[in-house]
Amino acid sequence: EVQLLESGGGLVRPGGSLRLSCATSGFTFSTHGMSWVRQAPGKGLEWVSGISGSGYTTYYADSVKGRFTISRDNSKSTLSLEMSSLRAEDTAIYYCARESVYDKSIFDYWGQGTLVTVSS
Amino acid sequence: DIQMTQSPSSLSASVGDRVTITCRASQGIFNYLVWYQQKPGKAPKLLIYAASTLQSGVPSRFSGSGSGTDFTLTISSLQPEDVATYYCQKYNNAPTFGQGTKVEIK
Repeated sequence: EVQLLESGGGLVRPGGSLRLSCATSGFTFSTHGMSWVRQAPGKGLEWVSGISGSGYTTYYADSVKGRFTISRDNSKSTLSLEMSSLRAEDTAIYYCARESVYDKSIFDYWGQGTLVTVSS
Repeated sequence: DIQMTQSPSSLSASVGDRVTITCRASQGIFNYLVWYQQKPGKAPKLLIYAASTLQSGVPSRFSGSGSGTDFTLTISSLQPEDVATYYCQKYNNAPTFGQGTKVEIK
């Protein structure tokens, strides 16, 4: 059974940093691209960042480019998102999502999400 | 950037009704479109990819159609468990979601 479990969310002050992790199991991690998708309270979905199966290629939304860094450890089947210079508008539930083998950026499995709150 | 616009933003229908949700892309995206269902307090679930291919395990009352700029998600007979918000998303180049359509039971 495919499982994705996010952790690391919490309350952080504007300008601060936070590191999210996503532990996975039930599939061959290195053969799938992975992404982070966020959802502000009561709002819609926004793709944040993605990374190829090998980890060599990364992608970012303009809204987080230069502030967030995505990475993966294929030996531990884990995905990470390092967030810095956080702003109030970064407040959201952050989901880790597996990309389908059918095509990149089709998210076929999602974690339950971790809440990040940026507030003073 | 290509924008995705869903309509309506919400709808209320009776059990057994046929429900249709529309998604429009600001530029042509061939069939690079997926639909997700998000129930309250839960993560999104993939329903349809490539505009019309049903994901494994999804009930056959769900169907998708369209190509280019105009797409539809249809629930042929609405069930109580279908209460959710539905999102379209394009997946060529930067993934972009529609704003969502909330489906409720009348």
